[in-house]
Amino acid sequence: GAVVSQHPSRVICKSGTSVKIECRSLDFQATTMFWYRQFPKQSLMLMATSNEGSKATYEQGVEKDKFLINHASLTLSTLTVTSAHPEDSSFYICSARDHGGLSYEQYFGPGTRLTVT
Amino acid sequence: AQSVTQPDIHITVSEGASLELRCNYSYGATPYLFWYVQSPGQGLQLLLKYFSGDTLVQGIKGFEAEFKTRLSYFNLRTPSVHWRDAAEYFCAVCGNAGNMLTFGGGTRLMVKP
Repeated sequence: GAVVSQHPSRVICKSGTSVKIECRSLDFQATTMFWYRQFPKQSLMLMATSNEGSKATYEQGVEKDKFLINHASLTLSTLTVTSAHPEDSSFYICSARDHGGLSYEQYFGPGTRLTVT
Repeated sequence: AQSVTQPDIHITVSEGASLELRCNYSYGATPYLFWYVQSPGQGLQLLLKYFSGDTLVQGIKGFEAEFKTRLSYFNLRTPSVHWRDAAEYFCAVCGNAGNMLTFGGGTRLMVKP
């Protein structure tokens, strides 16, 4: 099956620093990737849709200057949390849509737990 | 707009008992429906999905779900729960435009020995 990886799986950073999270589709090409955020004991909330070679589309209430998304290739999207603060601590999950597969099926990465101290 | 509701935040069942997790959805046309399971600190694993065809969908780990269009629910069932099934379960809906997934709030399943 289609595999999506995320790196790192866990990261702890100091307030004010920036953190980059990578999302890779390992065995398929993904023209579209999605970034979700999940707070403890809550559901996944879509942050943005990332399209290869174009600007990401952000959901309402998500600051695009704080959560920078780059989708430079068909297998890699990155989310950079800039000037991180403790309230940015969360579980970040990406998913990818197979370019050659069913348009409505997404494959999820294992998630990245970000802790900002 | 599409929406998904999982009415039960927590459910506790005994090992070996049957289980049904509720999922109500709202969508203007026939949606694509999914059930995912998430163990603590892990990503999401797809249990099953409904796109079209037979309304009774068989998934992995002994789970199934039935698409009830007129009743707008897509409940997840298993005849016998195992202790390993303790996790968080999410129902999700996607419109046929192939755009965003909308998730329900999740149901945390606890299994008593």
